[in-house]
Amino acid sequence: EAGVAQSPRYKIIEKRQSVAFWCNPISGHATLYWYQQILGQGPKLLIQFQNNGVVDDSQLPKDRFSAERLKGVDSTLKIQPAKLEDSAVYLCASSPPVGQRGERETQYFGPGTRLLVL
Amino acid sequence: GDSVTQMEGPVTLSEEAFLTINCTYTATGYPSLFWYVQYPGEGLQLLLKATKADDKGSNKGFEATYRKETTSFHLEKGSVQVSDSAVYFCALLFSGGYNKLIFGAGTRLAVHP
Repeated sequence: EAGVAQSPRYKIIEKRQSVAFWCNPISGHATLYWYQQILGQGPKLLIQFQNNGVVDDSQLPKDRFSAERLKGVDSTLKIQPAKLEDSAVYLCASSPPVGQRGERETQYFGPGTRLLVL
Repeated sequence: GDSVTQMEGPVTLSEEAFLTINCTYTATGYPSLFWYVQYPGEGLQLLLKATKADDKGSNKGFEATYRKETTSFHLEKGSVQVSDSAVYFCALLFSGGYNKLIFGAGTRLAVHP
């Protein structure tokens, strides 16, 4: 079974530029998550989708970050304009459908996109 | 709010030494608890989990027991290998719903031959 795919793996931009990250979850996984992992810290949830609807975006800086999940499969996270403090690894994760409680709680992570803002 | 506290790293051990990484949590109710591992250059991988009090999660020689009384979920391994060198994250499933994981800051483990 293929894992969570993310691209690009690395990105370097200058502040005030825009950037987009792409995620393809595990086939059949209804829930998709974007996390931000700043160096030396644990991942922090930015946004969670259930199918193509947002269920939690309470920690997403909405003035500059946006995300979408068209057709309930792939997702894109965008930052516009980027700030220096956005330098981090952006992790995408997915989990199985609602109804399989023991499995639903397990999140499967992609390799991440490392962003450096200069 | 819900939170996770891990012991600070780095933890440096010789091969075959005993490992303990402490993790305590604060939460409403009894959340599921997880240990994730991040090898260099890779994403997070689930190492083990426990969904209720007194459950023991185990995988690849690692173990952790969900202790409700002490709100802890310490990670242990009897004999570490060089290949265990990685960053270990303790996490809980947010009790407010929506399947949100709350992570600790991570503990880096370095195992030397």
